[in-house]
Amino acid sequence: GNSVTQMEGPVTLSEEAFLTINCTYTATGYPSLFWYVQYPGEGLQLLLKATKADDKGSNKGFEATYRKETTSFHLEKGSVQVSDSAVYFCALRGSNAGNMLTFGGGTRLMVKP
Amino acid sequence: DAGVIQSPRHEVTEMGQEVTLRCKPISGHNSLFWYRQTMMRGLELLIYFNNNVPIDDSGMPEDRFSAKMPNASFSTLKIQPSEPRDSAVYFCASHTSTSNYGYTFGSGTRLTVV
Repeated sequence: GNSVTQMEGPVTLSEEAFLTINCTYTATGYPSLFWYVQYPGEGLQLLLKATKADDKGSNKGFEATYRKETTSFHLEKGSVQVSDSAVYFCALRGSNAGNMLTFGGGTRLMVKP
Repeated sequence: DAGVIQSPRHEVTEMGQEVTLRCKPISGHNSLFWYRQTMMRGLELLIYFNNNVPIDDSGMPEDRFSAKMPNASFSTLKIQPSEPRDSAVYFCASHTSTSNYGYTFGSGTRLTVV
């Protein structure tokens, strides 16, 4: 079946540091890949997505590239802000999965001023 | 678009009481999902509806949990009787099969069973 593995948190960084949150997946066929962000007290929000190999999703300074050869979709940001403190979820939708998303366990990011 | 609307935002109830959580999906979305989130278990899919029909309820933890979707604009998740271990944040999400934009989540209902 499909699965998503994320690095465990919390990840603690100083403001303006470089961020990488690793995400790898297992799926048959050609899944679509997503990053969601959950700010404190809120639901999950779609941050970015990529639907085919070598696509780069980007939003709010965050980027992730769909790497089929390494089955990865790592999230990166060049300079984090305190307001980026949240929980980040990697997810996939398999090509045969209908509307079902498979989520990773989430990675908590804490950015200190 | 008001997004996915959940009510109530917070619910505190006594053990043994019935609890009903409500969700209004985005108009035109044909799939609806109920999730539960806790520190210990993370985000768990409880049940999934497509065109108002339950497709996968394998995540519903016990018979005390039930979910309905009587029409395309409304769904309920009921816990009867409630127990302290049901305390969690419950999220509803909706999606349309014509889009590849993933799910839209509601703001959640924080349930505390004392």
